[in-house]
Amino acid sequence: KAGVTQTPRYLIKTRGQQVTLSCSPISGHRSVSWYQQTPGQGLQFLFEYFSETQRNKGNFPGRFSGRQFSNSRSEMNVSTLELGDSALYLCASSLEGNNNSPLHFGNGTRLTVT
Amino acid sequence: SQKIEQNSEALNIQEGKTATLTCNYTNYSPAYLQWYRQDPGRGPVFLLLIRENEKEKRKERLKVTFDTTLKQSLFHITASQPADSATYLCAPRSNDYKLSFGAGTTVTVRA
Repeated sequence: KAGVTQTPRYLIKTRGQQVTLSCSPISGHRSVSWYQQTPGQGLQFLFEYFSETQRNKGNFPGRFSGRQFSNSRSEMNVSTLELGDSALYLCASSLEGNNNSPLHFGNGTRLTVT
Repeated sequence: SQKIEQNSEALNIQEGKTATLTCNYTNYSPAYLQWYRQDPGRGPVFLLLIRENEKEKRKERLKVTFDTTLKQSLFHITASQPADSATYLCAPRSNDYKLSFGAGTTVTVRA
C-alpha cells in the first residue's frame, strides 16, 4: 500500500505570495490532518478534515485554510505569506479520524519564505 | 493552558543499554497517548498507543507506561541499537480530539 504522498517536496516563495500544498492519503483513509513543524514550536496542529468536512482546527490565523476532496485528497493554502510561515508542513492520514487511530505522516513539504 | 513536556536534554546512551524517555502533560486528561519516532527530513512514524485504562504496553523492544495520576508517560527502548537513534515524540489526545505533540527527545545510541 502506498504511503501518504505530499507535493511538492520543497517550495520557495516570497513574502506576500500565496501557496498551495497537496496531500494524497493512504487508500481507504478518510481523515487528513495538517501540521506545521518548526524548530522553535515543534509540531503544531493546523486542521483535520474528514469526509470533506473540517472537523477540527488549531490556533492559526485565517490565512491558513484547507479543503478535502471526495477522493480524500487534501490541499492546504496559505495566503499572504510571512517570513514566519517558513516551516515543514506535514500531512497525516488515518482511518477513523478524530485521532482515534494512529496517524500516518507524509515526509512533508519544506516551505521557505524569503 | 495545556502543556506537554518531554526530556529537555538529548539522550546519549551506549548500545545495549535501556533508554528511558519522559512525557509529562498538564491541564488536561488525555483519553490516550501515542508515541512516534521521527528521523531527520522525514515525517513522524507511529510506534505505540496506550489508553488511559492501560498501565503498560509493549512492542518488541519498546515499552510504554501511562500514569494518569502523575500525568506522565514513560517510553523505554531496551537493548538499544544505533538504528534506534532518532527523535521520539509523545502525543496525548485531548478531549476535543486534538492530538498535540511534545517537542521531542533526541536519542543517540553509540556503538
